[in-house]
Amino acid sequence: DAKTTQPDSMESTEGETVHLPCSHATISGNEYIYWYRQVPLQGPEYVTHGLQQNTTNSMAFLAIASDRKSSTLILTHVSLRDAAVYHCILRVAHNKLTFGQGTVLSVIP
Amino acid sequence: AQTIHQWPVAEIKAVGSPLSLGCTIKGKSSPNLYWYWQATGGTLQQLFYSITVGQVESVVQLNLSASRPKDDQFILSTEKLLLSHSGFYLCAWSLLGEDTQYFGPGTRLLVL
Repeated sequence: DAKTTQPDSMESTEGETVHLPCSHATISGNEYIYWYRQVPLQGPEYVTHGLQQNTTNSMAFLAIASDRKSSTLILTHVSLRDAAVYHCILRVAHNKLTFGQGTVLSVIP
Repeated sequence: AQTIHQWPVAEIKAVGSPLSLGCTIKGKSSPNLYWYWQATGGTLQQLFYSITVGQVESVVQLNLSASRPKDDQFILSTEKLLLSHSGFYLCAWSLLGEDTQYFGPGTRLLVL
């Protein structure tokens, strides 16, 4: 299964823009890149996903490298509510999501 | 609007006792349903998924079983709990043919 590599933790200040990187050097051509986030004692929350083109929604902007070996989740004007563990996941099989440790994002007031 | 509900919210059980956790989805017909488990400090693992009533696929063996008795209901159970069953159990759903999964609030289980 294709794997992802993310930094263990990152820190940002309220109001700033944060770039969360994800490396997936062995991604297959038909694998989608999914991002979820999770706060303690709650289930993961879907953030966004993409295949090849950059995507944007109300939560985040997903920038995908042209060779698809890496991607970056960009959060603008972060608030304390954005503090969470962010998971970058490759859909490796129909119906299966494989979670890793993710990146712990801390937001300073 | 769709609603995913899990019960109970939390439970403390004795080793060797039976367990039944429930999940219901409202507002969506024929969803795909999933069970995940997360040990304290661990990563989420998918346990089961179901694409239709009466059909359940096992992903990880943890001495647990799952059933889908109704289109909107998914049940996780075991006859004998182990200490290793402690953790956070999450139910998720997705639309037929789509891959985005949406998670419920979860059930916290402590086995003593």
